[in-house]
Amino acid sequence: DIQLTQSPSFLSASVGDRVTITCRASQGISSYLAWYQQKPGKAPKLLIYAASTLQSGVPSRFSGSGSGTEFTLTISSLQPEDFATYYCQQLNSYLFTFGPGTKVDIK
Amino acid sequence: QVQLQESGPGLVKPSETLSLTCTVSGGSVSSGSYYWSWIRQPPGKGLEWIGYIYYSGSTNYNPSLKSRVTISVDTSKNQFSLKLSSVTAADTAVYYCARDGANWNDPPFDYWGQGTLVTVSS
Repeated sequence: DIQLTQSPSFLSASVGDRVTITCRASQGISSYLAWYQQKPGKAPKLLIYAASTLQSGVPSRFSGSGSGTEFTLTISSLQPEDFATYYCQQLNSYLFTFGPGTKVDIK
Repeated sequence: QVQLQESGPGLVKPSETLSLTCTVSGGSVSSGSYYWSWIRQPPGKGLEWIGYIYYSGSTNYNPSLKSRVTISVDTSKNQFSLKLSSVTAADTAVYYCARDGANWNDPPFDYWGQGTLVTVSS
């Protein structure tokens, strides 16, 4: 099974900060990686797929990069509505695993 | 606008079978462009993909749950369903249904239900 790790697991940041979250896969997954944002009590929301493709309707301050085993999600200027938990997900194998999540909190 | 809505009992006894249904509106489970998935999230924990079904009835399950999971589709009702047998407290979670693009360059899991909490307790 392909395992995903995320770092950091917790991040404290201020509005306007540039934030970067890293997702690492236990083996190469090409660009078959997606990022989701989840707020308390809500379903996850797709932000990025195919490692770097911005989902329709998602603000351009979100961007994704990487391929193979290392990926990043960047928020260029953190907004109040961005405080949430972020998950990566690999879709390379037929077992679609999620990363453990990164919680972004207000400093 | 595509909408998904989970329904089913919120409380299931240990050793019994959990049964949930996802009703799709604004789209069709008969579309060959999508897989239809179930995902769960134990309280305070991360996401676990359970499995998916295609309109043809073909399925793919998480190996960790495969022996206990059945996902089926009812195209006449535009619904798909989850059955998880022999449940324990470890199966207590919010269960989500979601749509997944069938092609590698389609958005995955772009529409989700609101989620339904299922508690396993006697």
